[in-house]
Amino acid sequence: GAVVSQHPSWVICKSGTSVKIECRSLDFQATTMFWYRQFPKQSLMLMATSNEGSKATYEQGVEKDKFLINHASLTLSTLTVTSAHPEDSSFYICSARGPGPTYNEQFFGPGTRLTVL
Amino acid sequence: GNSVTQMEGPVTLSEEAFLTINCTYTATGYPSLFWYVQYPGEGLQLLLKATKADDKGSNKGFEATYRKETTSFHLEKGSVQVSDSAVYFCALAYQKVTFGTGTKLQVIP
Repeated sequence: GAVVSQHPSWVICKSGTSVKIECRSLDFQATTMFWYRQFPKQSLMLMATSNEGSKATYEQGVEKDKFLINHASLTLSTLTVTSAHPEDSSFYICSARGPGPTYNEQFFGPGTRLTVL
Repeated sequence: GNSVTQMEGPVTLSEEAFLTINCTYTATGYPSLFWYVQYPGEGLQLLLKATKADDKGSNKGFEATYRKETTSFHLEKGSVQVSDSAVYFCALAYQKVTFGTGTKLQVIP
């Protein structure tokens, strides 16, 4: 149980285009999902907290207009990187807060590798 | 605020050696503690967890004990294998998850 998927697993796009990454909780409802960014050989940086039916809460320094987050249902959150540039190339990982007794635990998706040319 | 401090890597060990990766934390409240493992090119996988003081998490030969008195959650394994080569992240969860910087482990045959 508590499986989180991400799609796509990797994407290559041209500079200036927008890319959407999906995060789904497959076998549980996730009222809260999180988006992280990981640079090579570094730890995960929390970008934003996504709550179902409300606006995302962004961490300091993360551009809201560049990284659009939508959490339209209890099983799906999306991250859209708008007008992507090479410096946005990174590994993006989502997680979902666990159900019931695992509320204090997060379950991670496999990540999406974004390369902007 | 909450923070997690891990020993810096990389750590290089021979197969069957004993592994310790140190992790200490500072936190308000009563966090849960986790070790995650990340294999090259993949996302994070939960390795083990402990939700209260003196709990011992264990999985795949790895162990870690939640020590409130020393605010530590050190990861240990008695005999590492080449397949254990990965990056290991210590983390605490209290409303949000706070990660350590990760420790790369390389096990050589």
